[in-house]
Amino acid sequence: GAVVSQHPSWVICKSGTSVKIECRSLDFQATTMFWYRQFPKQSLMLMATSNEGSKATYEQGVEKDKFLINHASLTLSTLTVTSAHPEDSSFYICSARDHYEQYFGPGTRLTVT
Amino acid sequence: RKEVEQDPGPFNVPEGATVAFNCTYSNSASQSFFWYRQDCRKEPKLLMSVYSSGNEDGRFTAQLNRASQYISLLIRDSKLSDSATYLCVVNNLNTDKLIFGTGTRLQVFP
Repeated sequence: GAVVSQHPSWVICKSGTSVKIECRSLDFQATTMFWYRQFPKQSLMLMATSNEGSKATYEQGVEKDKFLINHASLTLSTLTVTSAHPEDSSFYICSARDHYEQYFGPGTRLTVT
Repeated sequence: RKEVEQDPGPFNVPEGATVAFNCTYSNSASQSFFWYRQDCRKEPKLLMSVYSSGNEDGRFTAQLNRASQYISLLIRDSKLSDSATYLCVVNNLNTDKLIFGTGTRLQVFP
């Protein structure tokens, strides 16, 4: 099946700093990528949908100026958590869709101290 | 009310047991239905799609009841390796987005 990679797999940062997470579709072109966040014992919550070459569409309650998404090519989307706070600590998962299915990356565990 | 609801469990069952999970969804515009499996600290992985006619994949059987808006997953002859969280997922036709339930945790013991 199709492969989606994420980097880094885990990151620890200090409060107030910014963190960038990369999501790549390795063997297919993804016109649409999704970013999810999952807190412990909770479901995956969609944060935003990004389409190559256009601005991301954010879900209600997600601050677009805090979570910057760039989908520069058909195989790469990035999520930047700006001015991170401890409450941003979570498991961030990206997903890429081809014509048939949605594939998930392995996730990035972010801890903000 | 959550759009997709599941009993969080945990379901603790012995090896070889049969276990069933149910899930209800509230949006009648939901068009596609899936069961995903998620291991601890890992990404969700597609277990199977769910069709109106019901479908089976080895020890796993999924059923969809559109009238009652519920989905089920039956696991027969449980293995230790089946221990995971099972996520019920629906695709909203209007938004074309996947909506995840909180998951049902299964623990199979020897």
